[in-house]
Amino acid sequence: NAGVMQNPRHLVRRRGQEARLRCSPMKGHSHVYWYRQLPEEGLKFMVYLQKENIIDESGMPKERFSAEFPKEGPSILRIQQVVRGDSAAYFCASSPGREQPQHFGDGTRLSIL
Amino acid sequence: KQEVTQIPAALSVPEGENLVLNCSFTDSAIYNLQWFRQDPGKGLTSLLLIQSSQREQTSGRLNASLDKSSGRSTLYIAASQPGDSATYLCAPLEDGANSKLTFGKGITLSVRP
Repeated sequence: NAGVMQNPRHLVRRRGQEARLRCSPMKGHSHVYWYRQLPEEGLKFMVYLQKENIIDESGMPKERFSAEFPKEGPSILRIQQVVRGDSAAYFCASSPGREQPQHFGDGTRLSIL
Repeated sequence: KQEVTQIPAALSVPEGENLVLNCSFTDSAIYNLQWFRQDPGKGLTSLLLIQSSQREQTSGRLNASLDKSSGRSTLYIAASQPGDSATYLCAPLEDGANSKLTFGKGITLSVRP
């Protein structure tokens, strides 16, 4: 039973480009969460999605960031016009239900040149 | 707003010692609390989950306790081994409509052979 799969593992972008991070949840999990870990900081919640719906996006920056979890395919975290401060590790987690244990992927390390 | 504190930030012990890692949180309205392990460059591995109605959970050499009313949880590691070296994170889950985990900065444990 495959775990949460994130790709790419490492992503390098130049300032102003777009970054697209993908997350395939564990089989049978319909709840997806994105967290960000800035250097020397703890993980911070960004957004919680259930198939085709955004449940809570209170941790998402107001501009340039968006997330989706379509009916078919992986969840996507999209960052437009990236800036140096977006450099971080982005983790995706999934769970079978709202209050069930969250299982994490290995993350995408985003570096902005 | 939930805040999670883990002190100390780093701990170094000789192999074989029994350890207690502490976690405190400010908002006792939680549904459960998870302890995770994070290895360098990796994602999070869930170690134990304690429901808010429980006092403790055990898995092998690990035992986690929860005192919800005082906002504290501890992770006890028996007979520590070099392979236990990692960063340990606690994360309470908000009680309510959202499934937001709030993380502390973690305790980086080094077990010397």
